[in-house]
Parts: sequence; structure tokens; C-alpha cells
Amino acid sequence: DIQMTQSPSTLSASVGDRVTITCRASQNINEWLAWYQQKPGKAPKVLIYHASTLESGVPSRFSGSRSGTEFTLTISSLQPDDFATYYCQQYATYSGTFGQGTKVDVK
Amino acid sequence: QVQLQESGPGLVKPSQTLSLTCSVSGGSMSSGGDYWGWIRQHPGKGLEWIGYIYYRGSTYYNPSFQSRVTISIDTSKNQFSLNLRSVTAADTAVYYCARGEGWGRVWGQGTTVTVSS
Repeated sequence: DIQMTQSPSTLSASVGDRVTITCRASQNINEWLAWYQQKPGKAPKVLIYHASTLESGVPSRFSGSRSGTEFTLTISSLQPDDFATYYCQQYATYSGTFGQGTKVDVK
Repeated sequence: QVQLQESGPGLVKPSQTLSLTCSVSGGSMSSGGDYWGWIRQHPGKGLEWIGYIYYRGSTYYNPSFQSRVTISIDTSKNQFSLNLRSVTAADTAVYYCARGEGWGRVWGQGTTVTVSS
């Protein structure tokens, strides 16, 4: 089964900071990766799919990239609305494994 | 814009079957080309993909649930459903339905299911 290792688990940052979250797959998943943002008590919201495609309506400060089995979500300039938990998810296999999540909180 | 809403019992007894329905509004499921899935989240924990179904009925299950899960669809009612058999306390979670092919493009708000006697 494919494992998704996401880091860091917690990230403290300030408004305006550049933020990077990493997800590593245990085997090749090609571009089959999505990134989500989740706020307390709410459903996840997709930000990026196919590793680097920005979902419609998502601000352009969010971007995704891939290098082999390592995937990165970057927020170019952190905004107040961006404090949340972020998850990656592979959908190369039917297990659809999620990463453990990264909580972005106020520094 | 498509919206999804989960419904079903909030409390299920151990060993019984958890049954949830997702109602889709703002678009017709029978218009074609869409996949519909179920995901769950244990309290304070991460997310777990359960499985998904194509509008024509083909199903794709997480192997972890394969032996006790059934996802079905009724396009005439614009609904799809989750049945999870032989539940235990470990199945206590928030259950979400979503639109998307193995990933969630549009999500319902989620419904909490507690497994307890």
C-alpha cells in the first residue's frame, strides 16, 4: 500500500511568510496527488489536483509542484485566511491515502 | 453549483450496518462523467478514503474496507449511498461524501456517526 509522509506536522508562520509543505509518496504515483485545506468543523476544500493544477477559484498564492515522489505545496504569501490544516492525498490507487496533515498556526 | 448533503443515523450499534445517503443538488447525476465518493475522519485525526462509484455503477473500494463496504447509486433520485457492515467503535467518525474521481472536488458538510451500544 502507498504511504504518504507529510511534513512538517505543525508549522508556525506569520502573515506574509512563504510557506512550504512537503509530501513524499512511498512509491511512484505520477501526478496523481491533490492538496486540501481544512478548517475546524468544516469539510476539506481542494486547492490543487494533478499535483500542480490550481482548482478554480483558489487564490494564485497557492501552488503545487512535483519532483519524483516528492510533492510540495507552497503558499507564496500567507494570508490570515490561510491558517488551517493542509492534507495531501494520492489517488493513484484505490486506497486514496492521505498524508497526516500539517497545521499552519500563528507564530 | 453542485452541492452534497449526507444523511443517516448518528448512532449505530456494534456489529450492525452503518448506512448513509448523499443527496446531490444543483445538477443531475445522470448527466454523466462523474464519480462520487465517501471519505471519513476519526475525531481529531486525519482523513481516510473509503471508496467511490462511477455514475454508471462501477465501484472502486479502498482495500482496507473491501470486505465490508458497498457503495451504490440511484441517479433517478440524485443520490448515492454507503453501507458499512459489522461496525465497531473504530468506525466512529465524521463521514463525508464527495464528487470526484478518487479525490474530492466538492464535499458535503459531513455527518457524525457514533458506534456504541
